Amino acid sequence: QVQLRESGPGLVRPSQTLSLICTVSGGSVGSGDYYWSWIRQPAGKGLEWIGHIHTTGSAKYNPSLKSRVTISLDLSKNHFSLKLTSVTAPDTAIYYCARESSGWAGDYFDYWGQGTLAFVSS
Amino acid sequence: QSVLTQPPSASGTPGQRVTISCSGSSSNIGSNTVNWFQQFPGTAPKLLIHSNNQRPSGVPDRFFGSKSGTSGSLAISGLQSEDEADYYCEAWDDSLNSYVFGPGTKVTVL
Repeated sequence: QVQLRESGPGLVRPSQTLSLICTVSGGSVGSGDYYWSWIRQPAGKGLEWIGHIHTTGSAKYNPSLKSRVTISLDLSKNHFSLKLTSVTAPDTAIYYCARESSGWAGDYFDYWGQGTLAFVSS
Repeated sequence: QSVLTQPPSASGTPGQRVTISCSGSSSNIGSNTVNWFQQFPGTAPKLLIHSNNQRPSGVPDRFFGSKSGTSGSLAISGLQSEDEADYYCEAWDDSLNSYVFGPGTKVTVL
């Protein structure tokens, strides 16, 4: 059973960089045909896909966030990470990591972490 | 403003059938599969339906997904109190080059 767990500072100052890690157990971030995603949800609002990285290291980002986002893999620690630069209050949200699996005609997020709150405030 | 459109709420009495629509366009649902997620307050979303109509192991067969043209649909038959949650649709958008989610539908069991 694959499990994901997010970790990182709960409070980030405006204009600083938000850094989060998703630790994976029950599977390897470097094996199989999977993508590893970050998704966020502001309080009381809907879900927004931030971006993903393939087990091969190829990454793709939401165009609305692309200039500020980097997602990377750490095979030695079996985790992947998110860096979001120049944060402002609208970046305050619960950040989820998730695994993407491939179906017969498309991909889907089948395993999710429990989420971690990142609060942007001075 | 979401690219996918869902009704903000839906409700029914125990045992009834509730249907949630997800309207998109040719660049998302019209050319890609639809997935559905169930989310309870304070918890992570859970995959409910993938690839338009496939239920992951453990999801009751009361949940049924379908797709027609540029719209997807989630039906819950035999509604139960434990089905009270938020439901989100999601698809890849070829124009935006990004995954997009619907705004969510809150299902209430009366």
